[in-house]
Amino acid sequence: DVKVTQSSRYLVKRTGEKVFLECVQDMDHENMFWYRQDPGLGLRLIYFSYDVKMKEKGDIPEGYSVSREKKERFSLILESASTNQTSMYLCASSPDRGLADTQYFGPGTRLTVL
Amino acid sequence: GDSVTQMEGPVTLSEEAFLTINCTYTATGYPSLFWYVQYPGEGLQLLLKATKADDKGSNKGFEATYRKETTSFHLEKGSVQVSDSAVYFCALSAYSSASKIIFGSGTRLSIRP
Repeated sequence: DVKVTQSSRYLVKRTGEKVFLECVQDMDHENMFWYRQDPGLGLRLIYFSYDVKMKEKGDIPEGYSVSREKKERFSLILESASTNQTSMYLCASSPDRGLADTQYFGPGTRLTVL
Repeated sequence: GDSVTQMEGPVTLSEEAFLTINCTYTATGYPSLFWYVQYPGEGLQLLLKATKADDKGSNKGFEATYRKETTSFHLEKGSVQVSDSAVYFCALSAYSSASKIIFGSGTRLSIRP
């Protein structure tokens, strides 16, 4: 089975802190994605990556950056956390850059910024 | 741009009731269509998918048929169980969206024993 793990299930940070969310997949997938999930808004894509050291902006990249130094690991960075970044963050991976690829999701990190 | 619209929840049903969750989409070309499910405290997982018109995806008693003429992919189940309580997301993947998956806003389903 594909496994996508996220470093924390729950995280509480203060405004202005730098926050790192880590995601690791164990199936040698090419693609990795970061979403945030908010009530009534569904999932919104923050950043994604089709290859190591490669990144592309999603629909809401402002206030975030990412890093993919190794194929299996994709990190989301909040440079200076703000209260409007309180949300559930979901990481996903998929096998290759093709149409109809199933995405496999981690359990999510619920981030609260005080 | 590409988009997915699904019925708002929450939807509350009694056990063994018939379920329909409506989903319509807007996309250029021929997207692939998905239903994902999120059980409490978990990430999303694929429930079923269909890649071309008139295809029917099915899994765990759930079904959805890709209807290009009505741009719809409604989710149905003949007899729901308490264990089906979850949030259901309709989604699409299209070349015009650079192979990203676009999700609907989700429908929360609660089943009463």
